[in-house]
Amino acid sequence: EVQLVESGGGLAQPGGSLRLSCAASGFSFSSYWLTWVRQAPGKGLEWVANIKQDGSEKSYLDSVKGRFTISRDNAKNTLFLEMSSLRVDDTALYFCARDRDIYRSGVHYDAFDIWGQGTMVTVSS
Amino acid sequence: AIQMTQSPSSLSASVGDRVTITCRASQGIRNELGWYQQKPGKAPKLLIYAASSVQGGVPSRFSGSGSGTFFTLTISSLQPEDFATYYCLQDYIYPRTFGQGTKVEIK
Repeated sequence: EVQLVESGGGLAQPGGSLRLSCAASGFSFSSYWLTWVRQAPGKGLEWVANIKQDGSEKSYLDSVKGRFTISRDNAKNTLFLEMSSLRVDDTALYFCARDRDIYRSGVHYDAFDIWGQGTMVTVSS
Repeated sequence: AIQMTQSPSSLSASVGDRVTITCRASQGIRNELGWYQQKPGKAPKLLIYAASSVQGGVPSRFSGSGSGTFFTLTISSLQPEDFATYYCLQDYIYPRTFGQGTKVEIK
């Protein structure tokens, strides 16, 4: 079965750190871009970061740049999100997602076709 | 960052109704837009990518159109399982940005 399973969420104090993991199974992990998306309680979706198949390209939401680091271990089929200097407004359910990475006429299209169930991060004193 | 504005924010409709949700981008994004459906307590589900390409397994009543700054998601005949929140997402430039969501409720 193709699936993504997040873990590592929990309660952190403002200024603290957490490391999220996303374990993949059922597909060729190293062939796909991967993405983190978050959702604050009762709010909409917010794209956080993504990473290329070999880890050579990464992009971030402006508000997390310098605080969050996305990485991957293709040998262990696992995606990570290292979060530091956490703020109250980082409180959210964090989803990882696979990008089908569609190319047509030289244009790359995102298509997040497989999602995990999410892991909750709460930042509070 | 590109702002994505969906309308309406919510709507009430009946089973069998034709429903259209719009998404406007603050600048041109060609056709680099996707649509996602989210039900309460669940992860989002991909419906449409490249503005009008339907993801495999998605019912044919879902369709997308648009280019540049204006996009639509249409459900041709609303079914009970379609009551959910819908989001557009631009993938033209970083950071990717979602619309604020449109909640489709039962009338």
